[in-house]
Amino acid sequence: DAGITQSPRHKVTETGTPVTLRCHQTENHRYMYWYRQDPGHGLRLIHYSYGVKDTDKGEVSDGYSVSRSKTEDFLLTLESATSSQTSVYFCAISFGQGRGTNNEQFFGPGTRLTVL
Amino acid sequence: GQQLNQSPQSMFIQEGEDVSMNCTSSSIFNTWLWYKQDPGEGPVLLIALYKAGELTSNGRLTAQFGITRKDSFLNISASIPSDVGIYFCAGQLRGNKLVFGAGTILRVKS
Repeated sequence: DAGITQSPRHKVTETGTPVTLRCHQTENHRYMYWYRQDPGHGLRLIHYSYGVKDTDKGEVSDGYSVSRSKTEDFLLTLESATSSQTSVYFCAISFGQGRGTNNEQFFGPGTRLTVL
Repeated sequence: GQQLNQSPQSMFIQEGEDVSMNCTSSSIFNTWLWYKQDPGEGPVLLIALYKAGELTSNGRLTAQFGITRKDSFLNISASIPSDVGIYFCAGQLRGNKLVFGAGTILRVKS
């Protein structure tokens, strides 16, 4: 267990409503990531953070925003949820930039989101 | 975007058999990682590879970083029922971003 929690673990919401997912780490890792997992697609990066208030887009960032106001928390927000955002969302952390073990990412338990 | 081709998509094998799966890409990677995911849980890191040609073992698991840096394979020897799950490869590009394969679903007959 890499000291990563995600909340909520399950959520059902309606189209058009805002949703915020939270990732919390106790490892003091610099990098945090949000992925979505869909059948046949593996894990796709939504956004990531390389420090407090430092974030960047991944390959599927449209419709999502993130915030990181402190090292341990990384929030993912769906401003107006759509059915295409029904997915399982995973948070991950890594120690930092560079080579070797710094690149290893450790995952949280996931949040299953259903948008009706 | 970048893609990893992971094969096979699924496997159904007898307990005790050896298993092999691989990932290939047209891109060169600096690091290859192999993860396993059990139902309802997040992926767990199994093996990390950092140099071309590197061969690393973790118990019954062995993985290799291809010499061209564009591929990697994972072998599982003498499979057991708890090996069931989804196995993902991931390659590291610039910075700390990873690209994931679509996964190999492993089912074991007891």
